[in-house]
Amino acid sequence: EDQVTQSPEALRLQEGESSSLNCSYTVSGLRGLFWYRQDPGKGPEFLFTLYSAGEEKEKERLKATLTKKESFLHITAPKPEDSATYLCAVQGSDYKLSFGAGTTVTVRA
Amino acid sequence: NAGVMQNPRHLVRRRGQEARLRCSPMKGHSHVYWYRQLPEEGLKFMVYLQKENIIDESGMPKERFSAEFPKEGPSILRIQQVVRGDSAAYFCASSPDSRTEAFFGQGTRLTVV
Repeated sequence: EDQVTQSPEALRLQEGESSSLNCSYTVSGLRGLFWYRQDPGKGPEFLFTLYSAGEEKEKERLKATLTKKESFLHITAPKPEDSATYLCAVQGSDYKLSFGAGTTVTVRA
Repeated sequence: NAGVMQNPRHLVRRRGQEARLRCSPMKGHSHVYWYRQLPEEGLKFMVYLQKENIIDESGMPKERFSAEFPKEGPSILRIQQVVRGDSAAYFCASSPDSRTEAFFGQGTRLTVV
């Protein structure tokens, strides 16, 4: 069974204080690794897809990287609007997405 | 292009009643996934459907739960004889194929009283 572990569970940052979120995974036949953002009471919002080790994607203050065993989501100079729960998911050979429990990021002004 | 539409957004049912949750995928998307999210827990896979076919229902309880995605109309997640433990947020996601990213709706929050 595919497994995804995210750390830390929670992260409190000062505005402008860069940090990284970790996503460790085991999967049978990785088809893709996905990052989503979820705000309270809302559905997950798609951020990135990574398909192979060494791949990197960037969007504004966010950068996602992928190795054979883990992925990192780097947040550079975060702003309060970056506060959210960030979810990592893997898609294996059975096509379904398996999610981690998420990292809740709080950015203080 | 409208996003994934789920309705109702909030649903209250008494124990023993039926709950029907609807999901209209994004235009051009023929793959639909249903997930359940309990408070303070992650998203748990329930079922994966393509038009008129159930591809994987390994995450769905064998009793009381069923899902369909007819040729015409929205995907339906049906929960019969609801119990308090069914209270959760139910999310639907759609994608154009089995490999690309899935886009989520805003969810249906089911409360069983």
